[in-house]
Amino acid sequence: EVQLVESGGGLVKPGGSLRLSCAASGFSFSIYSMNWVRRAPGKGLEWVSGISSSSAYIFYADSVKGRFTVSRDNARNSLHLQISTLRADDTATYYCVRDLGSPGPFDNWGQGTQVTVSS
Amino acid sequence: SFELTQAPSVSVSPGQTASITCSGDKLGDKYACWYQQRPGQSPVLVIYQNTKRPSGIPERFSGSNSGNTATLTISGTQATDEADYFCQAWDSSTAWQVFGGGTKLIVL
Repeated sequence: EVQLVESGGGLVKPGGSLRLSCAASGFSFSIYSMNWVRRAPGKGLEWVSGISSSSAYIFYADSVKGRFTVSRDNARNSLHLQISTLRADDTATYYCVRDLGSPGPFDNWGQGTQVTVSS
Repeated sequence: SFELTQAPSVSVSPGQTASITCSGDKLGDKYACWYQQRPGQSPVLVIYQNTKRPSGIPERFSGSNSGNTATLTISGTQATDEADYFCQAWDSSTAWQVFGGGTKLIVL
């Protein structure tokens, strides 16, 4: 069974940083592209970032480019998102998502980790 | 930039057919997929590559995509289908994944 388990969320002040992690199991992590998607309160889904299986290709939404950094460790079956210079509008649930077809669709989602940016 | 537009809400009576649309410039030239998100739960893929259903998704969920509009159709709608539905497509010019704003399906 595919499992994606996010961690690292929390309450942080504006301008602060967090490192989100996703532990993957139940599939061959190293052959899949992975993504981060977020949903802010009262808003819809927003794609944040994607990384190819070998990390050769990395993409970011304009809203996070320059502030967020995605990485992966295929030896440890883990995906990470370093989020910095946080703003109130970064408050959201962040989901780790497996990419079935590179690009898309997203066939497996984690349970999400909550990030709250507030002073 | 490429955008996808959905109606904020759609209402349907139990047992009837619900149609949720997603519009975008030349969307029919791309693959569209659909996600269901119930309150407090993670999104679930219900349609991919315009018309395909993942394993475990009931046959009453179907999709189409032509011209500028993709459509998710739910036949024999049940109370458990009440959820937010999001369309998605990949914008090859930017390599971004794009989501529609979401449609809240109300079953009443």
